[in-house]
Amino acid sequence: NAGVTQTPKFRVLKTGQSMTLLCAQDMNHEYMYWYRQDPGMGLRLIHYSVGEGTTAKGEVPDGYNVSRLKKQNFLLGLESAAPSQTSVYFCASSWTSSYNSPLHFGNGTRLTVT
Amino acid sequence: SQQGEEDPQALSIQEGENATMNCSYKTSINNLQWYRQNSGRGLVHLILIRSNEREKHSGRLRVTLDTSKKSSSLLITASRAADTASYFCATDPYYGQNFVFGPGTRLSVLP
Repeated sequence: NAGVTQTPKFRVLKTGQSMTLLCAQDMNHEYMYWYRQDPGMGLRLIHYSVGEGTTAKGEVPDGYNVSRLKKQNFLLGLESAAPSQTSVYFCASSWTSSYNSPLHFGNGTRLTVT
Repeated sequence: SQQGEEDPQALSIQEGENATMNCSYKTSINNLQWYRQNSGRGLVHLILIRSNEREKHSGRLRVTLDTSKKSSSLLITASRAADTASYFCATDPYYGQNFVFGPGTRLSVLP
């Protein structure tokens, strides 16, 4: 099993450009999450989904949008990239709510906005 | 605001020694989890301890939880060079819905 797969692995954008990060999981997990990781900040939750067709805001949602049209995929969009969005983005999934099950992470997308 | 804070921020030890990392948090929790992150990779789940548990073991890992002090510790015994990584605690706040991660402890195990 591949687990959680993120594409692309690296991307450089100019300010104002848009892009979509794709996350795919093959574990039939209900819950999916997008985090960003910045030095000294730990991981911060951007958006999450508790099932197909649902999305919700996390701690730092501004400037991002998400969609979960299929259970196995969770897309993160940047409509107009800003240098403050330079970060490493991680997708994660879990079987149920975090009380009962651990998070499974992808290997990240390193995004640089110039 | 960060729920979990690891201590120390960085730790360097010799192979074979034990490594201890601590995590403090602010509010009541359902559970606390520890994750490892190797350089350039995603986080990998190590161990979950629930609020009604005091200690758990998994191989060379020992986790303790003291809810009265709102703290947890991760002990790695007989460390190996392959244990070099960043370690994060993540808390599941009782009244919240999602995990909150601390900034992590960078562990270096020297051969």
